[in-house]
Amino acid sequence: GDSVTQMEGPVTLSEEAFLTINCTYTATGYPSLFWYVQYPGEGLQLLLKATKADDKGSNKGFEATYRKETTSFHLEKGSVQVSDSAVYFCALSVWGNKLVFGAGTILRVKS
Amino acid sequence: EAGVAQSPRYKIIEKRQSVAFWCNPISGHATLYWYQQILGQGPKLLIQFQNNGVVDDSQLPKDRFSAERLKGVDSTLKIQPAKLEDSAVYLCASSLGGTDRGGYTFGSGTRLTVV
Repeated sequence: GDSVTQMEGPVTLSEEAFLTINCTYTATGYPSLFWYVQYPGEGLQLLLKATKADDKGSNKGFEATYRKETTSFHLEKGSVQVSDSAVYFCALSVWGNKLVFGAGTILRVKS
Repeated sequence: EAGVAQSPRYKIIEKRQSVAFWCNPISGHATLYWYQQILGQGPKLLIQFQNNGVVDDSQLPKDRFSAERLKGVDSTLKIQPAKLEDSAVYLCASSLGGTDRGGYTFGSGTRLTVV
């Protein structure tokens, strides 16, 4: 079946450090890929998405590139801020169907 | 546009009691999803509706969970009787469905605590 594997956390960084959160997937069809973010006490928000191979999704300084050859969609940010502290979920959907989520990665940014 | 509305926001019940959650999706969204998010885990799909028909309920514990979407708009998820392991956040999401590749909107969720 379809599944998403993302790196375990928590990831703890200092402000202005470079962030990478790894995500790989297995899908029975051609998936769309997503990163969602959940800030403390809030609901899930779409951070970025990519719908085909080599597409780059970007938002708020975060980027992720759809790599079909390595079945990956790693999240990156060049300089993190304390306000980026949250839980990040990688997810996929096939043919616009249900979202399948990874387990989530906690990011803690220290000032 | 208005978002996905869910109520209640929080609920505390004793085990073996029953509970119901309500969701009103974005107007015009044909597909509605209920997810269960246990603390420290990613959301897991419980049931997916297309209009008022069930598309996927393979992960729904049918001996205690039920859901309906009678008029193809709002939906109710019920647990009866609740167990301690049902403590989680229950998320409702909606989308246009079909070939819409990524237009999902989530509600704020209902946090259920079973004691």
